[in-house]
Amino acid sequence: DTAVSQTPKYLVTQMGNDKSIKCEQNLGHDTMYWYKQDSKKFLKIMFSYNNKELIINETVPNRFSPKSPDKAHLNLHINSLELGDSAVYFCASSHLGGGQFFGPGTRLTVL
Amino acid sequence: TQLLEQSPQFLSIQEGENLTVYCNSSSVFSSLQWYRQEPGEGPVLLVTVVTGGEVKKLKRLTFQFGDARKDSSLHITAAQPGDTGLYLCAGYGGGANNLFFGTGTRLTVIP
Repeated sequence: DTAVSQTPKYLVTQMGNDKSIKCEQNLGHDTMYWYKQDSKKFLKIMFSYNNKELIINETVPNRFSPKSPDKAHLNLHINSLELGDSAVYFCASSHLGGGQFFGPGTRLTVL
Repeated sequence: TQLLEQSPQFLSIQEGENLTVYCNSSSVFSSLQWYRQEPGEGPVLLVTVVTGGEVKKLKRLTFQFGDARKDSSLHITAAQPGDTGLYLCAGYGGGANNLFFGTGTRLTVIP
């Protein structure tokens, strides 16, 4: 069974469109995260949710809106996509302060 | 943002050689983790170190946390092609949910 899953794996879209990425974890963790990995492989946290409540919101444009319907899911919705949004987005989960388990990533390409 | 600088950025060695990767910061971290990421996949947790001066071994990999909890090192003995990947250190600081990733070390082990 996959511990942290993300869909879709690849996402190619036009500038200005709105898209969503879904994430689910079956590890029973109470904290979930979204990260962005740029072309230089630098991994930066975007959001962190603990028990469905937003804990961290780093300097991310408000076009990005996370939604956590329950502790096992954290989805990422992006409005008005821009060229600079092209990257690999990773979902992760952990117990608070513990080692993180990452999903396989979603490669977003904005044309 | 607490910066974790890794060195070297790139490392290419022959199978059987030893190597050390360094992770340095001017900030203190409550714990530090090491991950390995392979192409097209998410980072995978290797180890967590918590106590200053702590040394952990994982088969041929030896991890050390600096006494002041500002730095860490990863030593690989007799590297194998399967060790090839992107190695990332990450530290929790400024709150239990704030995991800051290092700049990464891309290791290639040549058979």
